[in-house]
Amino acid sequence: EDQVTQSPEALRLQEGESSSLNCSYTVSGLRGLFWYRQDPGKGPEFLFTLYSAGEEKEKERLKATLTKKESFLHITAPKPEDSATYLCAVQARGGSQGNLIFGKGTKLSVKP
Amino acid sequence: DAGITQSPRHKVTETGTPVTLRCHQTENHRYMYWYRQDPGHGLRLIHYSYGVKDTDKGEVSDGYSVSRSKTEDFLLTLESATSSQTSVYFCAIKGLAGVTDTQYFGPGTRLTVL
Repeated sequence: EDQVTQSPEALRLQEGESSSLNCSYTVSGLRGLFWYRQDPGKGPEFLFTLYSAGEEKEKERLKATLTKKESFLHITAPKPEDSATYLCAVQARGGSQGNLIFGKGTKLSVKP
Repeated sequence: DAGITQSPRHKVTETGTPVTLRCHQTENHRYMYWYRQDPGHGLRLIHYSYGVKDTDKGEVSDGYSVSRSKTEDFLLTLESATSSQTSVYFCAIKGLAGVTDTQYFGPGTRLTVL
């Protein structure tokens, strides 16, 4: 069964304290891995798509990496405005119509 | 902004009443999805559409039906709402130019069934 596990469930950082969020997945052939950011009361906001092991993508203080079993979202020198829930999702190769399987998310709090 | 609106944004209803949620897109995309989000669960797919009048079930489709008579509108209906359907519902579209696999989400509808 295709599955996505995110850890930790919650993470508290001080402003400037770099860290990483983990997304472990089991899927019958990975077509793509997706990271989203979700603020309270809003819909998920797309961040990155990764397609193959070794691929990396960056956006401001965020960098996403991918291996054959997991993905990391590295946050460098975070600011309070980076506080949000970060969601990971995978799409299986051959999966019907691009359906995504989501993890439960990591809630990040960055204190000034 | 992916050009997706959802209505209503908030709704409170009673058990046993029918409820219809609407998702509207302005981008003329083929694929549309309905998800629900609950504490302790990831986003879970309810139904999806791959074209006008073409729909299929997702992981948690029991108690829900959908319709798509126009490209721009995807309706989710709870025929007889139950308290277990209290949730936040998100619509998504797939296939913005150049990023064909990525889904983009609407702002959500918070539904409370009393």
